[in-house]
Amino acid sequence: DAGVIQSPRHEVTEMGQEVTLRCKPISGHNSLFWYRQTMMRGLELLIYFNNNVPIDDSGMPEDRFSAKMPNASFSTLKIQPSEPRDSAVYFCASSLGPGVSTDTQYFGPGTRLTVL
Amino acid sequence: QKEVEQNSGPLSVPEGAIASLNCTYSDRGSQSFFWYRQYSGKSPELIMFIYSNGDKEDGRFTAQLNKASQYVSLLIRDSQPSDSATYLCAVNSYNNAGNMLTFGGGTRLMVKP
Repeated sequence: DAGVIQSPRHEVTEMGQEVTLRCKPISGHNSLFWYRQTMMRGLELLIYFNNNVPIDDSGMPEDRFSAKMPNASFSTLKIQPSEPRDSAVYFCASSLGPGVSTDTQYFGPGTRLTVL
Repeated sequence: QKEVEQNSGPLSVPEGAIASLNCTYSDRGSQSFFWYRQYSGKSPELIMFIYSNGDKEDGRFTAQLNKASQYVSLLIRDSQPSDSATYLCAVNSYNNAGNMLTFGGGTRLMVKP
């Protein structure tokens, strides 16, 4: 299996620009998670989907952030407009989904975002 | 607010020693517990999970769970320099809506040759 795929791996942009991060979960996984990791705040859950439906977006920092999952094999995280404080590594993870108490999340390689 | 606490370290151990990593959690409803390893610049990778009180062994790794004390630990026997990484404890508070993981801040382990 190819594992969770994320693109781009690195993104450098200027403040005010729109940024779109992409994720392809492991085939057959029904849950998808977006995390952000910084030195100061560690690994934070931004939003997660079950069966393409957003379940909890309470971790999304503000309205500038939005996420979609149009089908079972693709999700996007968009930041518009981007700000320097959004600089972080963004991880996507997937898992089999609810119904399994030991449901294990598998992480993608991450996207390192730098906003100048 | 569900919390997962870890000592940030760094925890320094000599090669061949036992490394002991600890984690406490606040939600008594938590059902399963995960240990992830994260090398610098890489993504977290699962080491093992545990959901029953007691010990669970997998090679050089042993996870220990004490739900009464809300405490989970990871022991690494015969530590190797390649074990040097940040270890993340994660707690799953399963509910019908889905399986969220709450992560601790991680403990940085350094194994010195």
